[in-house]
Amino acid sequence: DTEVTQTPKHLVMGMTNKKSLKCEQHMGHRAMYWYKQKAKKPPELMFVYSYEKLSINESVPSRFSPECPNSSLLNLHLHALQPEDSALYLCASSQPSGRAVGTQYFGPGTRLLVL
Amino acid sequence: GESVGLHLPTLSVQEGDNSIINCAYSNSASDYFIWYKQESGKGPQFIIDIRSNMDKRQGQRVTVLLNKTVKHLSLQIAATQPGDSAVYFCAENMGKNTGNQFYFGTGTSLTVIP
Repeated sequence: DTEVTQTPKHLVMGMTNKKSLKCEQHMGHRAMYWYKQKAKKPPELMFVYSYEKLSINESVPSRFSPECPNSSLLNLHLHALQPEDSALYLCASSQPSGRAVGTQYFGPGTRLLVL
Repeated sequence: GESVGLHLPTLSVQEGDNSIINCAYSNSASDYFIWYKQESGKGPQFIIDIRSNMDKRQGQRVTVLLNKTVKHLSLQIAATQPGDSAVYFCAENMGKNTGNQFYFGTGTSLTVIP
């Protein structure tokens, strides 16, 4: 099973709202990722967690706050977003690098619209 | 049909023809590469991968070629079918000591003409 699940599928929020995106995998992967993807563009890396610890933050604004409660779950907390944050948010997982990083698998994404 | 990545982000091929999608990667230290297919409204789907100790790898109807000398990756799809229509991305991993980052190329949109 190479499934990564994400909820919700769609989200509409106002600029003053607080919401969370959720991601889950049961492949035993210990690296998990958040990407942001705008239309007709490649996914842009936001955050990487390795063994439940934040290892990479690609200079993401603090209105995006990631959390990794355990090895299967990854959350992205959203607060005071801007309309330009509207995008597809993708979660992915892999085995972390050690001798060699493993294949990265993606979830279906959450389509976020900020009004 | 053949794309050249940044300079030709769209590729149209006749059903049954072979397709070649190209990708130029940025970091000579990258040692792992993945090709993804992304259909409209969906997440990227793994197609095939290759490590830097290989120069060719084959899957079902797909072949990936790696040329480390010129930092170039290609995806060949044999007997292209309408279901192959999608955007194709290459992704590079910067190596085992760089914290698991994957970075994506700009993508190529493949359209298969029935």
